[in-house]
Amino acid sequence: GNSVTQMEGPVTLSEEAFLTINCTYTATGYPSLFWYVQYPGEGLQLLLKATKADDKGSNKGFEATYRKETTSFHLEKGSVQVSDSAVYFCALSKGGSEKLVFGKGTKLTVNP
Amino acid sequence: DGGITQSPKYLFRKEGQNVTLSCEQNLNHDAMYWYRQDPGQGLRLIYYSQIVNDFQKGDIAEGYSVSREKKESFPLTVTSAQKNPTAFYLCASSSASGYEQFFGPGTRLTVL
Repeated sequence: GNSVTQMEGPVTLSEEAFLTINCTYTATGYPSLFWYVQYPGEGLQLLLKATKADDKGSNKGFEATYRKETTSFHLEKGSVQVSDSAVYFCALSKGGSEKLVFGKGTKLTVNP
Repeated sequence: DGGITQSPKYLFRKEGQNVTLSCEQNLNHDAMYWYRQDPGQGLRLIYYSQIVNDFQKGDIAEGYSVSREKKESFPLTVTSAQKNPTAFYLCASSSASGYEQFFGPGTRLTVL
């Protein structure tokens, strides 16, 4: 079946450090891929998405590229801020009636 | 503004009582979902509905019930049969042919 594996946290960085959170997936065909962010005590917000191979999703300085050859969708940001402290979830969907499949989440803490 | 609302934000219940969590959306989405999130954990799917008057069990449906009488509403009842109901509950929706889900702010349920 479809699955998502993301790096386990927690991840702790200093402000302005470079961020990478790894995400790999297993799925047949060509799923769409997503990164969601959850701030403390809140619901999930869509951060970025990519719907086909080699697409790059970007938002708020975060980027992720859909790599079909490595079945990966790693999240990156060049310079993190304290306000980026949150839990990040990688997810995939085949669309239509298919459900979203989530990774387990990676908690990021950015210290000033 | 279009979106998903969940109420209440915090809910307390005594053991042995049923409680209903509200979820309403005005995005004109056909599909709606309920997830459970435990501290430091990922999301687990409880129930989902792809169309009015129809719903399916997710991965952890035991002790929960839902109804879908209106497109806009998908209430979740946590019954006394749910052995460990204290958790953060998230509602989401998506278009029938869409890929991404939109999430509400969540309800934190505590059993006293």
